[in-house]
Amino acid sequence: DTGVSQDPRHKITKRGQNVTFRCDPISEHNRLYWYRQTLGQGPEFLTYFQNEAQLEKSRLLSDRFSAERPKGSFSTLEIQRTEQGDSAMYLCASSLAPGQGADEQYFGPGTRLTVT
Amino acid sequence: AQKVTQAQTEISVVEKEDVTLDCVYETRDTTYYLFWYKQPPSGELVFLIRRNSFDEQNEISGRYSWNFQKSTSSFNFTITASQVVDSAVYFCALSDPRNRDDKIIFGKGTRLHILP
Repeated sequence: DTGVSQDPRHKITKRGQNVTFRCDPISEHNRLYWYRQTLGQGPEFLTYFQNEAQLEKSRLLSDRFSAERPKGSFSTLEIQRTEQGDSAMYLCASSLAPGQGADEQYFGPGTRLTVT
Repeated sequence: AQKVTQAQTEISVVEKEDVTLDCVYETRDTTYYLFWYKQPPSGELVFLIRRNSFDEQNEISGRYSWNFQKSTSSFNFTITASQVVDSAVYFCALSDPRNRDDKIIFGKGTRLHILP
């Protein structure tokens, strides 16, 4: 499978716990995006990386959220001290940078987080 | 500010009927991309089409067709001879390729039910 993969697919956690999600992009893609999708809404941009550099963070990304892409390949998204409002689908997407060819964003299956 | 409006929250049609999903967008930019994504029950966002703002030609791909009208800021999506497998949530989206982040702004989606 050469698509974007995410792990885990589902996570149930208790309020106050920390969680970490992983995203493996399409191998030749140097851009990686994180989006959050709550019930009945479209995905909302959280942050993105070009190679290992995190270039932008949305105001939706509070201080409890941190994302890394240490070697420019896979990325992790950590949420500390989870709150019920963090319950959502977390989607990862990858693409080539603009000007490098077909630069559409391809999405992974998402990680569904439920905070109880 | 950029915004995408999908006024139809939910649509149900009987199999083999044609169905059109509406999308209206707002942007002050003259250069932008418009997208349609499909989200089946599995949750993964499937890329359907990207259209550049300078290309107003309608596009047909099999049973799918898209009508882009800049005069009304609309980018509607029609499925001809619908099938049960078309049941999904469909998102219209917008991005500005001149933005460094290339983030995508999504509408709230239209849930399409194709009834056998």
